[in-house]
Amino acid sequence: DTEVTQTPKHLVMGMTNKKSLKCEQHMGHRAMYWYKQKAKKPPELMFVYSYEKLSINESVPSRFSPECPNSSLLNLHLHALQPEDSALYLCASSHPAGAKNIQYFGAGTRLSVL
Amino acid sequence: KQEVTQIPAALSVPEGENLVLNCSFTDSAIYNLQWFRQDPGKGLTSLLLIQSSQREQTSGRLNASLDKSSGRSTLYIAASQPGDSATYLCAKTNAGKSTFGDGTTLTVKP
Repeated sequence: DTEVTQTPKHLVMGMTNKKSLKCEQHMGHRAMYWYKQKAKKPPELMFVYSYEKLSINESVPSRFSPECPNSSLLNLHLHALQPEDSALYLCASSHPAGAKNIQYFGAGTRLSVL
Repeated sequence: KQEVTQIPAALSVPEGENLVLNCSFTDSAIYNLQWFRQDPGKGLTSLLLIQSSQREQTSGRLNASLDKSSGRSTLYIAASQPGDSATYLCAKTNAGKSTFGDGTTLTVKP
């Protein structure tokens, strides 16, 4: 099983809403990632969790709040977003290092902020 | 200057052709390089991963090479098929961070 599951697939929210994106994997991976991808652009790294601890934050605004409750789950909590935050949000997981450090991606959550 | 560059940005070929996609990176510090495929509106599918100590990897009709000294990787697709039409992205990983190129959008015409 090489599946990373993201929910919801689509999300529309107002600028005053609070919502969460969820990501789940059961491959035993101990590194999990959030990326943001705008149309016709490559994914941009937002956060990296390694062994359930936040290891990298790419200077992401505080209106995005990641959470890793356990080794299989990764959440991204959203609050007071701006229209320019509309994008495809991708989750990925991998072994933290070594020859199996292949990143597996979910299908993404397409977010629209009105 | 962009850290990871892919050339060409777009490529259109007839079915059956062999083709090469290029990826270059400015920083030679690299842990691994991964090639992905992305279909419109979808997530990324991993194709091949090359560790920094390796020179190439092969999977079916795909072959990827890595030359750290020149900062280049190539993805070779043999006998292209219409189903290969997609955007191909390379990503360089170092210190836990992955940086993607802008991708090459491939169209294979029947």
